[in-house]
Amino acid sequence: SQQGEEDPQALSIQEGENATMNCSYKTSINNLQWYRQNSGRGLVHLILIRSNEREKHSGRLRVTLDTSKKSSSLLITASRAADTASYFCATVNAGNNRKLIWGLGTSLAVNP
Amino acid sequence: NAGVTQTPKFQVLKTGQSMTLQCAQDMNHEYMSWYRQDPGMGLRLIHYSVGAGITDQGEVPNGYNVSRSTTEDFPLRLLSAAPSQTSVYFCASSLQGIYGYTFGSGTRLTVV
Repeated sequence: SQQGEEDPQALSIQEGENATMNCSYKTSINNLQWYRQNSGRGLVHLILIRSNEREKHSGRLRVTLDTSKKSSSLLITASRAADTASYFCATVNAGNNRKLIWGLGTSLAVNP
Repeated sequence: NAGVTQTPKFQVLKTGQSMTLQCAQDMNHEYMSWYRQDPGMGLRLIHYSVGAGITDQGEVPNGYNVSRSTTEDFPLRLLSAAPSQTSVYFCASSLQGIYGYTFGSGTRLTVV
């Protein structure tokens, strides 16, 4: 079952602009992860944020987590054409069940 | 370090045929999973394994079998292919299941 819901479903921006995508979830989590999928390829793990963290950075990526609102955002700064991809959030629920629960993804197009 | 290797990359089957999708990882990961990805449906978990000799069903297990005789290999068997199994299949592995997953490049399966 899908827990994460990404917003927006699709986003089109110009190179150099920032891209923000959001993810909402329904249950208590251990952590939330963001993945990127280029067209026709497998998913690549980008960043993980634990439930006790509020913000995390990795290069041009900034992830925030608001557990009170059960939501997360992924910000890509100074976007490049190579950032064109689909971005998925996935959550690991609190407790012993370690299965990832996936959202449906945001499709990002960065125009040169 | 090859990561997660999936074979074949493409396959066309006739309805009723059986086949095995291969997945191997060389990272000594305990957790391995099989997903299918369909347009508008996101990633759906078929089967997963938390270690050699241990497997369990995901959300869409019907028509598929798995086994995990070694830590490295986690093959997915289609018992009697149906057109509804036309999809892209991904294998993924994780050290402990709670952290990031490494994905294979996928198998695009068409059942006619």
